Formats: sequence, structure tokens, C-alpha cells
Amino acid sequence: RKEVEQDPGPFNVPEGATVAFNCTYSNSASQSFFWYRQDCRKEPKLLMSVYSSGNEDGRFTAQLNRASQYISLLIRDSKLSDSATYLCVVNIGDRGSTLGRLYFGRGTQLTVWP
Amino acid sequence: DTAVSQTPKYLVTQMGNDKSIKCEQNLGHDTMYWYKQDSKKFLKIMFSYNNKELIINETVPNRFSPKSPDKAHLNLHINSLELGDSAVYFCASSQDPGRASEQYFGPGTRLTVT
Repeated sequence: RKEVEQDPGPFNVPEGATVAFNCTYSNSASQSFFWYRQDCRKEPKLLMSVYSSGNEDGRFTAQLNRASQYISLLIRDSKLSDSATYLCVVNIGDRGSTLGRLYFGRGTQLTVWP
Repeated sequence: DTAVSQTPKYLVTQMGNDKSIKCEQNLGHDTMYWYKQDSKKFLKIMFSYNNKELIINETVPNRFSPKSPDKAHLNLHINSLELGDSAVYFCASSQDPGRASEQYFGPGTRLTVT
């Protein structure tokens, strides 16, 4: 079983639409959570961290439900430039140490059309 | 200006050859990583070094040998290349190896083994 599961999509939405991505993680020892964005043939870049209380950054809202081991990303008022693959990422700490390692979902592909 | 740089960007080689990929970061970070992104787009950690010391070594064939001459550089040498080694290899760095560290990725090296 993968550490992080995501619906690969693709999601095709018109400009201005609201779109939501979900992911689940399997390891309850997961410590921190992120959404990364990866453009075609480019490197992943951090979009935002995800906190238990939920957090918002402009048009982007991330939520974490530790009880259900579930993470979400909501994009409002989609722009053409939002077209990319969105990677759900979980940092799992090694037991008894401060060391962590990132586990990536396979990504959800989003295409925003005019 | 480039934070994390990798060379070469593209590498095409034949089975059985030995090749190296170089990575440098100018962010002053202590921790560097190598990831492999296969054709199914899964991004998986291979190795991590903290201040020139190996701290993460995932289940990777011993044909792969990382080397960190100093904390700003992490190179990856691959012996006896196989078809299955074809992938995009990303180098990354973070301030420290902790559980909540944001990681910055290099542009990737697209390796094709024929």
C-alpha cells in the first residue's frame, strides 16, 4: 500500500471554476503535510504547508483531518496558470529521532481551459 | 541566482555504462537529497545527506553511490546502467533534516538508458 494515495485525475475545468483535490495517507506517524506543485517537465515546488486548523493562501485553501488521515486542497477562481500537477506530500518522522522524510503522492493533474 | 542546480540536464547513454550526475546548492542548507521520478510520475527518495553524512539510504541498488564532498554538493554515480534506471533524477536541499522542512528541488536530470 502506498504511503500517500491521490486521485491522478485529470481534472479539466474552465477558468473561474472551483476545484478540490483530496489525498489520504496511511501512516499515522506522519508529522507534517504539504501540497507541492509540479509543472510539466519541471521540478516540484512547495505550494503550501497544511495545518490541522486549516490554512488559506489567496485562492488556495488546505485542510487536514488527522482522524481520517485525509488532506485536501481547494482552488477557487481557477486561472489558466493553475494548470499543473498537484502533489500531496507527507513528512514521516523516524521513530525516536527528529529525522523526517517526504513521501509523495503520484499527483493530480489539473488543466484549466479558457 | 539558481538555488539548486544539477548537471547535466539530459543524459542519454547505453546499458552497462557508468555515469554521474552533479548537484550544487547555494542556499546554505545542511541537508541534500536525491529523488527518482519514474515514468508513472512517482517521486521517491533515494538518499539524504546532512552535513556530508549519509542519513537516509532507501532500498536502492548498490550500483547507485552518492558522494558529498561538502555540504553544498551531492553527486550521484551510477554503475552498470540498466534500462530500468531511465527516469528523472531530482536533487533537493533543506535547511535541516527535520520533520517539517521545506525542500527546494533542482531542475532534474532526465536519464535515458538505451
